[in-house]
Amino acid sequence: DQQVKQNSPSLSVQEGRISILNCDYTNSMFDYFLWYKKYPAEGPTFLISISSIKDKNEDGRFTVFLNKSAKHLSLHIVPSQPGDSAVYFCAASVSNSGYALNFGKGTSLLVTP
Amino acid sequence: GAVVSQHPSRVICKSGTSVKIECRSLDFQATTMFWYRQFPKKSLMLMATSNEGSKATYEQGVEKDKFLINHASLTLSTLTVTSAHPEDSSFYICSARAPYGYTFGSGTRLTVV
Repeated sequence: DQQVKQNSPSLSVQEGRISILNCDYTNSMFDYFLWYKKYPAEGPTFLISISSIKDKNEDGRFTVFLNKSAKHLSLHIVPSQPGDSAVYFCAASVSNSGYALNFGKGTSLLVTP
Repeated sequence: GAVVSQHPSRVICKSGTSVKIECRSLDFQATTMFWYRQFPKKSLMLMATSNEGSKATYEQGVEKDKFLINHASLTLSTLTVTSAHPEDSSFYICSARAPYGYTFGSGTRLTVV
């Protein structure tokens, strides 16, 4: 049972424009959300996180928005750069307490020059 | 920052043999480590939660006698794939709860021939 869903398997964006990656979840107990970036044959790299007490968190070009009522979060990358091309995983956890992460299937982002 | 070192990065083994994958936390103590498996075009699926000094907790559908997990110290967890078969070929990743968030190993590509 997939509790974290990324319904877009791929996304293509032009360099300089905004990339928006979406994620939905079904478990209302999730209260800590993370985005990871992953290159082939490598482990995921942490990008940004947000707890359920906030609805926005920003770090440089990356902003994560959380809509708890809709059980939806999104990652905005602006401006997008070719080096951002990778697979992005949304993950969720029940509190920031060492619980395991539930991952979405990932969205493959391609940023074209 | 917190680093988890995972070895080997790639391994090819014959059917019926066993393979051990190691994950070490280099600059922090990891009471809990998580083992994930990634199938092609699928999300990272949690296999088991490894707790230092106690038995691992396996997710439903994961054979504990096949995927042996040992977490003998606060800095080392191992996953042994016993009597490997071609269907065990996959990308295995470990993760630990570090002081400031989750951190991942670089992954192990296992190919069983």
